[in-house]
Amino acid sequence: AQSVAQPEDQVNVAEGNPLTVKCTYSVSGNPYLFWYVQYPNRGLQFLLKYITGDNLVKGSYGFEAEFNKSQTSFHLKKPSALVSDSALYFCAVRDSINDYKLSFGAGTTVTVRA
Amino acid sequence: EADIYQTPRYLVIGTGKKITLECSQTMGHDKMYWYQQDPGMELHLIHYSYGVNSTEKGDLSSESTVSRIRTEHFPLTLESARPSHTSQYLCASTGGPPDTQYFGPGTRLTVL
Repeated sequence: AQSVAQPEDQVNVAEGNPLTVKCTYSVSGNPYLFWYVQYPNRGLQFLLKYITGDNLVKGSYGFEAEFNKSQTSFHLKKPSALVSDSALYFCAVRDSINDYKLSFGAGTTVTVRA
Repeated sequence: EADIYQTPRYLVIGTGKKITLECSQTMGHDKMYWYQQDPGMELHLIHYSYGVNSTEKGDLSSESTVSRIRTEHFPLTLESARPSHTSQYLCASTGGPPDTQYFGPGTRLTVL
């Protein structure tokens, strides 16, 4: 079985400050890890993914994520948050030998105040 | 932005009506998915397909049905809509490795 936990329902930061959204996962094999962002009344937009290789993954809009196998974590980070980063963020995982289905976390609402 | 389309974007209907939510992608992806999502909440997989004439139920039980007659088209049907079906429905697709799922804009369904 595979699962994802996003321990924080909400994250609030001031514009210009670093932003971190936490994610931990559980899989039986090697993980494929993904981050998506959702704006109101929209579908999910792909931000970045980890498949293999460098533990630091860079994605869209200045976001990056660090894969930590020992802590089974894949936290999303942005060095300097913008008001426009306010949205709902989802972490997702699939087992590299699974049948292609993703398991999503419950989501974290990020609010960046001006 | 991915080339995956959903229509209608918004739908308000009365109880008992039959509806079909459309999902199409122009990327030639063989795998397609339907998710149900209440506003601001997590996604629940309700159907998926790994190719033409292949459909499976997802993790969340749903009264809806799907079909996959063409690679690019994966419609979802509710034979008799009820207020409990009120939700957002998201369609997604993936191609070859590493199987990044790309999402459509969603259909927000309200059943009165």
